[in-house]
Amino acid sequence: QVQLVQSGAEVKKPGSSVRVSCRASGGTFTTSTVTWVRQAPGQAPEWMGRIIPVLGIPNYAPKFQGRLTITADKSTSAAYMELSSLTSQDTAVYYCTRGSGTYSAIWGQGTLVTVSS
Amino acid sequence: QSALTQPPSASGSPGQSVTISCTGTSSDVGGYNYVSWYQQHPGKAPKVMIYDVTKRPSGVPDRFSGSKSGNTASLTVSGLQAEDEADYFCCSYAGNNYYVFGTGTKVTVL
Repeated sequence: QVQLVQSGAEVKKPGSSVRVSCRASGGTFTTSTVTWVRQAPGQAPEWMGRIIPVLGIPNYAPKFQGRLTITADKSTSAAYMELSSLTSQDTAVYYCTRGSGTYSAIWGQGTLVTVSS
Repeated sequence: QSALTQPPSASGSPGQSVTISCTGTSSDVGGYNYVSWYQQHPGKAPKVMIYDVTKRPSGVPDRFSGSKSGNTASLTVSGLQAEDEADYFCCSYAGNNYYVFGTGTKVTVL
């Protein structure tokens, strides 16, 4: 059974960037879709963007266009999410997920990103 | 793009049924058959319960079912059990290669 293992918690200053990694353990990404979702404390999840690693072309939610970059390395079954120009509103748990494209079947353990001066 | 609208809370006694609505527009819920539902227990990652409006992943009890009418999708949990107490979120394709989540519903088993 494939598991997604994410990098550890981060504390960032306002205006800086954060990069979160996600690796497939026990399998590969193959032709599946890797989606990034974030969830602020006490709030609903928020869909950020996705990539199909074998194609390498990302899609982003309009809200994040211009400051979100999603990449994937199919040779190492790893995906990355980089968010720039951070503000306190970006404090959240960030999840990578794997699925068929229309839903997220497998979720990583989540990475807490705290933005604080 | 606004979040899909869900009722903040729903409840039922063990053995009863509860139905959660997820209202969007013709640009998301009403326009595509790509609605999924997620269950989330406190401190845990969400878990998919329904995808593509009505499909149930392997391992999800058949007590969970999904449907859609117009711009509103619904999740029904039949035969409520204590472990069904959780937050539930819908998610829909919104065109232009992106998705939108619902506002979330807290289900309480009385």
